[in-house]
Amino acid sequence: KNQVEQSPQSLIILEGKNCTLQCNYTVSPFSNLRWYKQDTGRGPVSLTIMTFSENTKSNGRYTATLDADTKQSSLHITASQLSDSASYICVVARGSNNDMRFGAGTRLTVKP
Amino acid sequence: DAEITQSPRHKITETGRQVTLACHQTWNHNNMFWYRQDLGHGLRLIHYSYGVQDTNKGEVSDGYSVSRSNTEDLPLTLESAASSQTSVYFCASSVGPDSPLHFGNGTRLTVT
Repeated sequence: KNQVEQSPQSLIILEGKNCTLQCNYTVSPFSNLRWYKQDTGRGPVSLTIMTFSENTKSNGRYTATLDADTKQSSLHITASQLSDSASYICVVARGSNNDMRFGAGTRLTVKP
Repeated sequence: DAEITQSPRHKITETGRQVTLACHQTWNHNNMFWYRQDLGHGLRLIHYSYGVQDTNKGEVSDGYSVSRSNTEDLPLTLESAASSQTSVYFCASSVGPDSPLHFGNGTRLTVT
């Protein structure tokens, strides 16, 4: 209950390819869903924040989708670059921002 | 540019010692948070504050304390360090509940 599950745990793709990361949640009541990018040895950096009424949001080559009915979100990365190598963390806020539930992340490696 | 800084970046201490991790933000945010990140787990909330003199316990607060004497700083104290507290600690701040979290780059703490 009130959990966030991400898949896959890790992913390796070639530079220039697209990929999609998945996030399933059971958090309730839902407030918003966030995607963060975390480079090795650094803190997470916000990519997108989506509320209940938003089903798609883009930030450059990153596009997040949200299906609040099935409690699923995805992060699509287009034309991957080496700098996209990082962990991507899905976070679901429950009611207020002091109760954010973090997924364990997907580790993406982009190879030349 | 506004930022959030954590110090030290790395710390090794012995079991039973008191340790304080510093967090300083120049965003002028009222909301500040401490998380720990362990391999295979999502970030977990330790303590949070919504303003000066306000502190609240998070999901994993046992063995930790914080104080908020000004807007910029939220130091995290481990009263008597235990090996189970070996982790990477992240401080974050935000404007409000629907705003992104701004994270520091973390403190890696090892308790021997």
